[in-house]
Amino acid sequence: SAVISQKPSRDICQRGTSLTIQCQVDSQVTMMFWYRQQPGQSLTLIATANQGSEATYESGFVIDKFPISRPNLTFSTLTVSNMSPEDSSIYLCSADSGGELFFGEGSRLTVL
Amino acid sequence: AQSVAQPEDQVNVAEGNPLTVKCTYSVSGNPYLFWYVQYPNRGLQFLLKYITGDNLVKGSYGFEAEFNKSQTSFHLKKPSALVSDSALYFCAVRDPYNFNKFYFGSGTKLNVKP
Repeated sequence: SAVISQKPSRDICQRGTSLTIQCQVDSQVTMMFWYRQQPGQSLTLIATANQGSEATYESGFVIDKFPISRPNLTFSTLTVSNMSPEDSSIYLCSADSGGELFFGEGSRLTVL
Repeated sequence: AQSVAQPEDQVNVAEGNPLTVKCTYSVSGNPYLFWYVQYPNRGLQFLLKYITGDNLVKGSYGFEAEFNKSQTSFHLKKPSALVSDSALYFCAVRDPYNFNKFYFGSGTKLNVKP
């Protein structure tokens, strides 16, 4: 299993600013994932982040808007750039450990 | 394309009664199926998975799921529901040809009433 620490847990941000979400895993993992979730709804994959390579983005998500870093096997960051109210959502970090996905507690962003 | 469907947005059950949360899948190849639970303001927690072997899979918190290949279903079950089981449940399938991809269902809100 893997324990994932994610921060911030929540934040209120101003339109046009950027926020970086950090994700720390307690063990080395090859694949990490970033998801977006509207409260009470399903998950949408933003990108897959493997250490040592550029993140792979899903349709509708671009690197300029959601830059991702993956400097080592236990850490990743997601930045939400030039935020607008439409970016208000829950952002979830996850990691593949033993063939299962483990999730952080999520970062709830509200953009005013 | 791989997908899962959760036909019920919400399931209501009385405490002590058995519960079932439904999931059907569409997968080319052998399915890797999962159930996750999400409590309010929390991340998703892994409950159980089916990869191969026995069709009845036992997981955390007394939950189990039955893999039915002919009906392409993977329903989540529990013999006796607890109020604390009230949460959002997600079925998911992993693409057997692209392990980077997990496909999540729309979620089912389980309400267990005392």
